[in-house]
Formats: sequence, structure tokens, C-alpha cells
Amino acid sequence: DAMVIQNPRYQVTQFGKPVTLSCSQTLNHNVMYWYQQKSSQAPKLLFHYYDKDFNNEADTPDNFQSRRPNTSFCFLDIRSPGLGDAAMYLCATSRDSGERETQYFGPGTRLLVL
Amino acid sequence: RKEVEQDPGPFNVPEGATVAFNCTYSNSASQSFFWYRQDCRKEPKLLMSVYSSGNEDGRFTAQLNRASQYISLLIRDSKLSDSATYLCVVNVPNDYKLSFGAGTTVTVRA
Repeated sequence: DAMVIQNPRYQVTQFGKPVTLSCSQTLNHNVMYWYQQKSSQAPKLLFHYYDKDFNNEADTPDNFQSRRPNTSFCFLDIRSPGLGDAAMYLCATSRDSGERETQYFGPGTRLLVL
Repeated sequence: RKEVEQDPGPFNVPEGATVAFNCTYSNSASQSFFWYRQDCRKEPKLLMSVYSSGNEDGRFTAQLNRASQYISLLIRDSKLSDSATYLCVVNVPNDYKLSFGAGTTVTVRA
């Protein structure tokens, strides 16, 4: 009964080779988020969508892009992965944008860059 | 100053013990607070939400101190399965976003 699904769970890519991570949700939530989490660090928000409205964080590198073709799916594209992009990538959703909204996380995709 | 700060630990406690730790936040206008649990190499999962002075769920109690801008989490009668990293999460006022602490690691030993 997974509600936020991420594929693949593990991704190995080569330095500079584009990679796409996938997230889907069965909750019909309006907001979808992408976070990057490195070992022993807090999750770092990369960007989020409220419906189709895209919101990029100021310090998210241009190397990271996102697409949300419909309510259920959201993709993270890393155009030219570097060694420093190796991390866990977490997708999350929330029903709406209010201050009391809970975010629900998918299981994450662990990216390894060789 | 970081928006959310936590003692990283680790807190090593025997089964059955009580363990408590704090989280401080910088934005006095924050209204919603969350404790998430994250197991090694897994995703964060919501443990509890705190909107007023505190919340209790079984062996877990969260207390909010707005004057001093900290939230605490207390775990009573610790179980081996409580071993995890506990993330303190605070809403960013007037925004969709959440600010995450780096987590406090708790290890419960037999």
C-alpha cells in the first residue's frame, strides 16, 4: 500500500551521464518535493511543485531539473552528475501548502556516481 | 545560525531507560513542529506533530517551549526498535517549506 513510490531504489551512473529519478504518488496530493540528503545531514530541499507551479530553491544547482507531467508523477533529472551529487534523493508530498501540512516521504533513491 | 539545531548524539541507552533530547529553532514565528524518525538508509517517517504546547503518543512525548524556542522529545521504556535517528522539523512561516535538523541518533542496547 505504498503511497509515495520512488524508482529506482538504487541508481549507479557514470560521471557526466544524465540520470532521471522517478516519483509517483497515490495520495492525490497537490504538492510534491524533491530533497537531497547526504550522510548524517539534514534533507536539503531542491525544489517543489504546487500543482503545476514549479518553485526552485535559490541554491539548487542548474544541473538539477524537474518535471511534473501530471498530479501523480514527478521526475528529477540530473543533467551531468558529478561525484558530489552522490546522495539519497527523497521525494515527498503534502496535501496542500498550509503550515500544518504533513509531508510524506517516499523510500528514496540512492544515487552512486562513478 | 542554523534554522534548526539538534544534538547529534549518539545517545546510547539500555532497554527500558528513558531518553530525552532537545531541538532549538531560530524563527520565533514558526507554528508547526514535527518529529520524524529515520532508520539507517531509509526515508523519514512522521512520529508526531506538535502545534500547541506538546503531544503524547504512547511512550513518546514532545514538549514545545515557545519562549525558549525549543522542542523536546522524550522516549519512555526504550525498546531496541527505537534505535534510529530522530529529525526535528519546523515549518517556515508563510511558506510551504520545512526546515530540518540534522538528526539525533539514539541507540538502544539490550
